This record gives sequence, structure tokens and C-alpha cells, in this order.
Amino acid sequence: DVKVTQSSRYLVKRTGEKVFLECVQDMDHENMFWYRQDPGLGLRLIYFSYDVKMKEKGDIPEGYSVSREKKERFSLILESASTNQTSMYLCASSFFRGGKTQYFGPGTRLLVL
Amino acid sequence: GDSVTQMEGPVTLSEEAFLTINCTYTATGYPSLFWYVQYPGEGLQLLLKATKADDKGSNKGFEATYRKETTSFHLEKGSVQVSDSAVYFCALGIGTSYGKLTFGQGTILTVHP
Repeated sequence: DVKVTQSSRYLVKRTGEKVFLECVQDMDHENMFWYRQDPGLGLRLIYFSYDVKMKEKGDIPEGYSVSREKKERFSLILESASTNQTSMYLCASSFFRGGKTQYFGPGTRLLVL
Repeated sequence: GDSVTQMEGPVTLSEEAFLTINCTYTATGYPSLFWYVQYPGEGLQLLLKATKADDKGSNKGFEATYRKETTSFHLEKGSVQVSDSAVYFCALGIGTSYGKLTFGQGTILTVHP
């Protein structure tokens, strides 16, 4: 069965902290994605990666960075967390070719105080 | 650019009512179309998909037909249940896009007994 896991379901951090969100997939997918989900705004793409050590900016990359050292793992980093980064963060993965189904993790709900 | 427009929500129905959630799209090229569902507190799950014009995707009693002439992919179910209460997202993917999907803003469905 397809599996995408995220390191935490809930996270509370303080303003200015460095925050790591990790995502692991077991499907040998080339593509991995990070989204944030906010009420009324749907899903917005932060970053994606189509191969190890490769990354591309999505629609809202400001304030975030990513790391992909291994094919199965994609990390989202908030260098200095701010209150406007309080959100639900969703990771997804898919095979390389476009138009393919994305498989999502359960999400991490991050609260920045 | 590519975009997806979903009907405004929230949608509230009684059990056994007929459901339609409208979705229209704008895309260059020939997209694949998807409906995802998000149950409370969870990530997104693929509900159904269609990869070419006139294809019908179906799953769990839900159906959607890829209509190229009207650039639409409306979601329908003949008789909804309380357990269908969730957020529904329409999405498109283009073959040349590194697997990126463009999502609509989501439609909240609440079904009452």
C-alpha cells in the first residue's frame, strides 16, 4: 500500500525558531512536494523536487527552504519561524512524468507562537 | 497559466440527496483531471481521475466526466451519506510539468442525517 509519512501531526514552535518538517515516501517516487493549506486559500505549492538534490520553487517559497539528500526523504525548513507560517503543511509524492497521481501524507499542523 | 475553479462552498445536504460540485479548468495542453477528498484531520486522498476527454472516473459512488468542450470535470453522487462530509478538491496535471498539480480552492461538504 502507498505510504507517505510526515514526522509530526502537531507542532508548536516559538517565533524565530528553526523548524524542520520531514516527509518520507516508500513508493520510489521521483517527485516530492510541499504544500501549505489555509482556509479559503486551498493548497499552495511551496517547493518541489524531481530528483535527489534537485529542488524548484513553487508559488510561495519565501521564508522556506528544502532539502532532498535521499530519494525517499524531503525536508521542509523554516529558517526563522514567524506567526504567519502557522498553517497545515502537506507533503506529497508522485512518479516523474507529469499528470500522475500525487499521494499525500497526513499533514502537520504547525502553530507558531 | 493553468487554473482550476470550483464552485463556492460550503455545501450542506441532507442524507440521500444528490450532489454536484462544479469544476472548470483552464489549461495549455491536454491535462489529466483529478478529484481529491480530505476527511477531517487527514491529508488528501485521490477520489477519482480521468486522463483524456470523455473519460469517466468513478469511485465510491462518485463520478466525474472529462468534458473537453466545456472544460469541466463536475463531481456527482446520486445519494450522499453522512460519511461523505469532507473537503473536495478538483485538480489538473499537465504532462510536461514535473508532476505538478494545480488545485482548486476546495469545497466543504456537510451532510446531515
